[in-house]
Amino acid sequence: GAVVSQHPSWVICKSGTSVKIECRSLDFQATTMFWYRQFPKQSLMLMATSNEGSKATYEQGVEKDKFLINHASLTLSTLTVTSAHPEDSSFYICSAREWGGDQPQHFGDGTRLSIL
Amino acid sequence: SQQGEEDPQALSIQEGENATMNCSYKTSINNLQWYRQNSGRGLVHLILIRSNEREKHSGRLRVTLDTSKKSSSLLITASRAADTASYFCATHNSGGGADGLTFGKGTHLIIQP
Repeated sequence: GAVVSQHPSWVICKSGTSVKIECRSLDFQATTMFWYRQFPKQSLMLMATSNEGSKATYEQGVEKDKFLINHASLTLSTLTVTSAHPEDSSFYICSAREWGGDQPQHFGDGTRLSIL
Repeated sequence: SQQGEEDPQALSIQEGENATMNCSYKTSINNLQWYRQNSGRGLVHLILIRSNEREKHSGRLRVTLDTSKKSSSLLITASRAADTASYFCATHNSGGGADGLTFGKGTHLIIQP
């Protein structure tokens, strides 16, 4: 149980393109989803917290207009990297949680984004 | 900012040996979780230990938590080649602030066959 599907697995695109990444909880309802960013051989950095039906909460230093997050249902959250540039190249990972903070987060397999 | 700090950063042992990884953190927590990440993949949840718990077991895994020292350890017994991965501790912090997890830098574990 507790499967999270993230799509696509990798994207290569030109600078200036907008890229949408989907995160789906397949067998449970995720009241909260999270988006993380990971640079090579480094740890995960929380970008934003997304609650179904409300605006996402962004961490300090994360541009809201650059990283658009939508959590329209209890099973789907999307991250759109708008007008992507080479410095946005990274590994983006989503996670989903069923209830409160006392529950584990279940992670997708990540999306490797490469901006040329 | 990174709160958890894993120790060691890298660890290489022979198959069958036990592997111990440590994690320290700085703020008050609700719980601490350990995750495994294979190269280029997402994270797999291993175990969650709450702030009022001191030890927890799951199969070959044993996790301890010392809130007075703000530290945790993960022990993998009878290691296997398939255990080769990076291991991260992550805290769910109490007292407001971000609802997400704060991850440590990870320990890269290599099990030599």
